[in-house]
Amino acid sequence: SQKIEQNSEALNIQEGKTATLTCNYTNYSPAYLQWYRQDPGRGPVFLLLIRENEKEKRKERLKVTFDTTLKQSLFHITASQPADSATYLCALPQAGNTGKLIFGQGTTLQVKP
Amino acid sequence: DSGVTQTPKHLITATGQRVTLRCSPRSGDLSVYWYQQSLDQGLQFLIQYYNGEERAKGNILERFSAQQFPDLHSELNLSSLELGDSALYFCASSVEADSYSYEQYFGPGTRLTVT
Repeated sequence: SQKIEQNSEALNIQEGKTATLTCNYTNYSPAYLQWYRQDPGRGPVFLLLIRENEKEKRKERLKVTFDTTLKQSLFHITASQPADSATYLCALPQAGNTGKLIFGQGTTLQVKP
Repeated sequence: DSGVTQTPKHLITATGQRVTLRCSPRSGDLSVYWYQQSLDQGLQFLIQYYNGEERAKGNILERFSAQQFPDLHSELNLSSLELGDSALYFCASSVEADSYSYEQYFGPGTRLTVT
């Protein structure tokens, strides 16, 4: 069955550095992949969507890559700020069921001033 | 503010009881999704409705049911509640039926505590 893996360990970085989060998936070839941000006790907020034919996508300080050969997406935050501290979730559609998004467990990012 | 509203914000109830969670999607969105998030399970998809019809189903328990009304708001009914049902329940909406190609907008959630 499909599996999404995100680093369960929290990522701690210094303000101003680039944070890189990883999303790996198996047993699947999704046409799209999405990234969301979630703050404690709040609903996830959509950040970026990348299609399988797009190698890279950028939005302000955010960059997402999608390597369908490695079955991996990388999510980068450049010039990180303490306000970027949150849990970041990647999500993929379930194979054959376009109405269902499968979310990874998320990686918590802590940016220290 | 995502434009998705959920009520109530908090709900405390006893085992065996039944509760109803309500969601209003963003204006213009036809799809509504329900998710359950607990500490050990992460964000789990329960069910999707599109324009009043059930579109996709996840691992939703038989004790749980949902519907989407003509005005597009949705309700999630949870019955015979168990301690393990304690979780955050999120509603999300999107403009189209295919979740993978359109972003979802999440509501603030309902925190359910079963005692």
